[in-house]
Amino acid sequence: ETGVTQSPTHLIKTRGQQVTLRCSSQSGHNTVSWYQQALGQGPQFIFQYYREEENGRGNFPPRFSGLQFPNYSSELNVNALELDDSALYLCASSLDQGNYEQYFGPGTRLTVT
Amino acid sequence: AQSVTQLDSQVPVFEEAPVELRCNYSSSVSVYLFWYVQYPNQGLQLLLKYLSGSTLVKSINGFEAEFNKSQTSFHLRKPSVHISDTAEYFCAVRDTGGFKTIFGAGTRLFVKA
Repeated sequence: ETGVTQSPTHLIKTRGQQVTLRCSSQSGHNTVSWYQQALGQGPQFIFQYYREEENGRGNFPPRFSGLQFPNYSSELNVNALELDDSALYLCASSLDQGNYEQYFGPGTRLTVT
Repeated sequence: AQSVTQLDSQVPVFEEAPVELRCNYSSSVSVYLFWYVQYPNQGLQLLLKYLSGSTLVKSINGFEAEFNKSQTSFHLRKPSVHISDTAEYFCAVRDTGGFKTIFGAGTRLFVKA
C-alpha cells in the first residue's frame, strides 16, 4: 500500500509568483486535506476536497485554491505569493470525508523570497 | 470556535524519566481528540486518539493520554522516555460532526542521554 506522497520536496519562489504543489493520496482514499505549517507553529487547515469538490475551507484567502482529480490526487495552487506564505505545506488523505483518521505526506517546503 | 493550547513549547527530559505534555482545548460541541508526532523532515503521524468510551487511551509505543471533560484537557504521558521519542508533538481537536482538525502549536520533546 503506497502512502501519501507530495512533490516537490522543496521549492523557492519570488514574491508575486504562482506555485502549484502536488499530492497523491493513499490508495483507496477519496478525501484530501491541505494544511499550512509555518515555522514553529502547528498545521493550519486550508481546505478539504472530497470526490473532486471542495467541501470545507479554513481562513485562507481565495488566492489559495485547489483541485482534486478523478484518481483523487490533488493540487494546491497559490497565486500572488507573499513572504508570509513561506511554510511547510502538508497534504493528508482519509478514507472518506467523515473519517477522522488522516494520513499525512512528508510535506513541501515553500520559501518565498 | 475551537482552539487548542499546548502549554509547553519545549520539554527537555532525561532518558528513562517520565514525561507529561499538556494540552487544553476549547469547544462548544462534542469533540474527537488526537495526538500527532512529527519527526524531523517528516509529516505527521497519528499517535493516539480519543473518540468515545474509555477516557484513557494508549499507543503501541507506551504513550497514553486521558480525556478530562471537566478540565477540557487531553494530556499526553509516558512513564519512561527513550532517545527515539525526541520529536514534535501536536495535540488536535475535531468536532464530531465536522471536517476541520484544529492543531495546537506543538511541544518539542527533547530526550537527553
